[in-house]
Amino acid sequence: EADIYQTPRYLVIGTGKKITLECSQTMGHDKMYWYQQDPGMELHLIHYSYGVNSTEKGDLSSESTVSRIRTEHFPLTLESARPSHTSQYLCASSDTTGAATNEKLFFGSGTQLSVL
Amino acid sequence: AQKITQTQPGMFVQEKEAVTLDCTYDTSDPSYGLFWYKQPSSGEMIFLIYQGSYDQQNATEGRYSLNFQKARKSANLVISASQLGDSAMYFCAMRGLGSARQLTFGSGTQLTVLP
Repeated sequence: EADIYQTPRYLVIGTGKKITLECSQTMGHDKMYWYQQDPGMELHLIHYSYGVNSTEKGDLSSESTVSRIRTEHFPLTLESARPSHTSQYLCASSDTTGAATNEKLFFGSGTQLSVL
Repeated sequence: AQKITQTQPGMFVQEKEAVTLDCTYDTSDPSYGLFWYKQPSSGEMIFLIYQGSYDQQNATEGRYSLNFQKARKSANLVISASQLGDSAMYFCAMRGLGSARQLTFGSGTQLTVLP
């Protein structure tokens, strides 16, 4: 199993603040992902990375940005938080071995963000 | 585009009984994978089971089995002998090839196991 860590677990912050949500994995996985999830709803992909210095936007438009300077680290940044950014953010990783269709994601525990 | 539909927002089951969670999908890809994840109230997503579109047999993992009916485009999750710890949100997801290779999730089913 992959070890993937997200901090903070909960974050309450005021409008206009800059925030960074941390995500780290210890399994050396090349692929990492950020999903956004509103309460009781499906997950939506907002960013992904297939390796160092590679980042792409996902299906759901997001004002957040990501970086991938090290394999194990995939932080997500919001330059100016707004109440509409209130949501749960889940980070995931996977290795690239095996057929594409059976690629399994390992998820962190998530960060619950509340912007006041 | 691919789409996952879970029509049961909430389900209740008595402890020790079996329960089926419905999932239908739509895709134009000839090859795809279907997944079920469990999300407890703590928030993390836990992988449960995988079914490939060309797999001849239904996938099983312990108390979990996937009832795959390709012609009907359904991939229902069956949990046998429900336990109180099974109470959680369950998400069906699929992955295709090419532009559809990212994992797409359904809206989830909230399962409550009653003592």
